[in-house]
Amino acid sequence: QTVVTQEPSLTVSPGGTVTLTCASSTGAVTSGYYPNWFQQKPGQAPRALIYGTNYKHSWTPARFSGSLLGGKAALTLSGVQPEDEAEYYCLLYYGGAYVFGTGTKVTVL
Amino acid sequence: QVQLVESGGGVVQPGKSLRLSCAVSGFTFNSYGVHWVRQAPGKGLEWVAVISYDGSNKYYADSVKGRFTISRDNSKNTLYLQMNSLRTEDTAVYYCATLDVFNADFDHWGQGTLVTVSS
Repeated sequence: QTVVTQEPSLTVSPGGTVTLTCASSTGAVTSGYYPNWFQQKPGQAPRALIYGTNYKHSWTPARFSGSLLGGKAALTLSGVQPEDEAEYYCLLYYGGAYVFGTGTKVTVL
Repeated sequence: QVQLVESGGGVVQPGKSLRLSCAVSGFTFNSYGVHWVRQAPGKGLEWVAVISYDGSNKYYADSVKGRFTISRDNSKNTLYLQMNSLRTEDTAVYYCATLDVFNADFDHWGQGTLVTVSS
C-alpha cells in the first residue's frame, strides 16, 4: 500500500517563509506524479492551490509556490499571512489511482 | 455556477450497505472524470475512487477495493458510490469532487455527506 508522507506540523511567523514536503513510499516524486496541493480550513471543504507540480490556479495567491525538492514535492509559502493557518495536503497521481498525503498543520504564530 | 450536492449519508450497521449520490450542475458532466474523497472525523483526506467521463475506467483506493463501486448516470448528471460490507473505519464525511490534477481552475467540491458505521 502506497503511503505519501508530509510533516505533521510546522510553525511560521507572520511574514516568514515555510516549506512543506511530500514524499512517496514508492520512491522519488517526479513531475509524472502531477503533485497537487490543497488547503483545508476547519469546517470547510479542501481547496486546490497548486496543480502539476508548480502551476497556480487563478485564485491561488502569489505567495504560494510548488516545486520538486530532493525527490519530494514541495509547497513554499513566502510572506506568510495569518489567514494561511490551515491544514495542507498534497495529492499524487499513480497512473489511475491517487493518494493524498498525511497532511501538514501550519500554524502562524 | 458549478455545484456538487451529495446525499445518502446516515448511520448504518457494520456489514451493511449504503449508496451515496452526488448531483452535479453548472458544467458538462459527461466530459469530466469525478472522484469520491473521504475524511474521517479529525483525520486527513483519503482519496476513495475516480470514474472517467464515460464510466469506462474506474480506480479505487486499496482500502475500499472489492467493497465499493463508483458509477455515474450522465443522463441524470449524477455520480454514485455503492458501499457494501461497511466497516467502522469507513465512518467519514464523503465528498464528491472534480479534482482535475492536470488543468487549471477545475477544482470543485461538494459540502460532504456524513456516513457513520456503528452498531
